[in-house]
Amino acid sequence: DTGVSQDPRHKITKRGQNVTFRCDPISEHNRLYWYRQTLGQGPEFLTYFQNEAQLEKSRLLSDRFSAERPKGSFSTLEIQRTEQGDSAMYLCASSLRSFFANEQFFGPGTRLTVL
Amino acid sequence: SQQGEEDPQALSIQEGENATMNCSYKTSINNLQWYRQNSGRGLVHLILIRSNEREKHSGRLRVTLDTSKKSSSLLITASRAADTASYFCATDINAGGTSYGKLTFGQGTILTVHP
Repeated sequence: DTGVSQDPRHKITKRGQNVTFRCDPISEHNRLYWYRQTLGQGPEFLTYFQNEAQLEKSRLLSDRFSAERPKGSFSTLEIQRTEQGDSAMYLCASSLRSFFANEQFFGPGTRLTVL
Repeated sequence: SQQGEEDPQALSIQEGENATMNCSYKTSINNLQWYRQNSGRGLVHLILIRSNEREKHSGRLRVTLDTSKKSSSLLITASRAADTASYFCATDINAGGTSYGKLTFGQGTILTVHP
């Protein structure tokens, strides 16, 4: 399977715990994005990387959130001191940098439930 | 806040009928994309239309774009039960002519196609 993969697919945690999600993009894609989606809403942009550089972060990404993409390959998204409001689907996507277009390929998502 | 507003929020049709979904947005864009999401799954890219294009076709899909009205429509012809899903429009905002990369999604239209 050469698509975008995410791990884990589901995570249940207690409030206050830290969680980390992993995303493996399509191998030749140099851009990687994280989105968050709550029930009944469209995905909301969190952050994106071009290679290993984090180029933009949404103000949705509080200080409790951190994302990395070491060596420009896989990426991790960590949430510290989780809150119930963090419960959502976390989606990762990748694309090739292009001046003209930006079709993104999404992974299956990690569904986070904070109790 | 999300850039795109989609209409209708929900659409229920019979197999074989056509389905039309509309999307409006607020700012200048490089391109507009449509994605499909089956329940609880990741998003699948359907079609991309650039800001200098007015209409695009892909199989049973037809997308139009009116930049003067800041609106787009997605038409699915001869619908099938397998088309049942949520459909999202997403805009790639124009930042001085280059693609920022990040997408801003609408809230989506839930399409149900009855056999």
